Formats: sequence, structure tokens, C-alpha cells
Amino acid sequence: AQKITQTQPGMFVQEKEAVTLDCTYDTSDPSYGLFWYKQPSSGEMIFLIYQGSYDQQNATEGRYSLNFQKARKSANLVISASQLGDSAMYFCAMREGGDNFNKFYFGSGTKLNVKP
Amino acid sequence: ETGVTQTPRHLVMGMTNKKSLKCEQHLGHNAMYWYKQSAKKPLELMFVYNFKEQTENNSVPSRFSPECPNSSHLFLHLHTLQPEDSALYLCASSRGGHTDTQYFGPGTRLTVL
Repeated sequence: AQKITQTQPGMFVQEKEAVTLDCTYDTSDPSYGLFWYKQPSSGEMIFLIYQGSYDQQNATEGRYSLNFQKARKSANLVISASQLGDSAMYFCAMREGGDNFNKFYFGSGTKLNVKP
Repeated sequence: ETGVTQTPRHLVMGMTNKKSLKCEQHLGHNAMYWYKQSAKKPLELMFVYNFKEQTENNSVPSRFSPECPNSSHLFLHLHTLQPEDSALYLCASSRGGHTDTQYFGPGTRLTVL
């Protein structure tokens, strides 16, 4: 089974609107971390936001927030007030605890296009 | 100094060549990673080093040979590659705890002719 699933290959959003990028995960480990990365066309993966499995509140970083629904095993990224510079690939990732703590599992990504 | 650097940024090589990719991190991290990113495919973890020891080899062909002389440097030695090995090779580092994020370098775009 896939550890991380991103079901939206591509998304369009109007500038200044909010957009939600979906991510579901699969793990039986009670301790894990969830991450979102942005990859512009230049190629570099840029860390955006982190959510720990024991965190009670949803993570927020500026215009980014993570809608963490533990029972549903979903960790959607919400970008508020989209900007043209937000156009990029977005990857959801997970890291488990225990012996596998050095492994990161990545989804296939969502390509976001922000329209002026 | 930026956090994670990679050289070269672009590399074109023939199938009989031998080349090396270099990664350096200036973040004091203990773990370093090599990933391969091909077009239209998810990011593939290749190797993981933790405190200079290899902890993960994700069934990578032997034509890719990693080397980690210390916690700050990671190399990927390439020999007799195939055209399908053309991809973006990303290096990352992290502190090593399960809550710690990875920080990536800019990548090396490799083309094998």
C-alpha cells in the first residue's frame, strides 16, 4: 500500500484565493511526522510546514496551514491568498518513528498553477 | 553559506564515463540522503547515512556507489550509467530524529547519453 497518496495531479487557483491540496497517509506507527514541500521549476525542494502525530493543534506557517485529521489519516495543505509565486509542485511526505525514522515517504505531488 | 549545496548543478555524461556528485551540508545534521527524481515519477529514496553509517540502500544498482566520509559530506559515484538514469538527483540532510525535517540541496540534473 502507498504510504502517501496525493490524488490531485494538477490544480488551478485564482490569484488571492485560497486552495487546498489533498494528502492522505497510511501508517500503523503511533508516532510520525507529516511534511509539505514546495518544488519550483528550478528543482529545489523547499520545506513549508510540519505536523507531528501528537500535536493537538493544526500547524500554521504564514499563509500555509495544515488541516490535520488524524482519524481520517489526512494532512491537507491550505494556502491562503495565493500568489503567482506559489505556482509549483507540492509534495506531501511522512516520516515514521521507530527503526524507520530515517526514511521519508513522498507522494507523487500536485502541480499548482496560480492564475492572474 | 546556504544549508545544503550540491555540485555540479548540471552534468552530461556518456555511458562509459565515471563521475561523482557532491553534497555538503552546513547545518550540523547527522543524517544525509540521496534521492532520484525522474520525470512523472515520485521521489525515490536511494541511500541514507546516519552518523556516516549507511542505514538504507533502497535496492539501488551497483553502478551508483555512495560515500560518506563525514557527517557533512556525501558523494554519489557514478559509472557505466544507462540513459534511464537521467534524472534530478537530490541530496538532503536532517538531524535524525523522527520529528526533524529534511532540508534539500538544489539538485544535480544528470543526463546520460
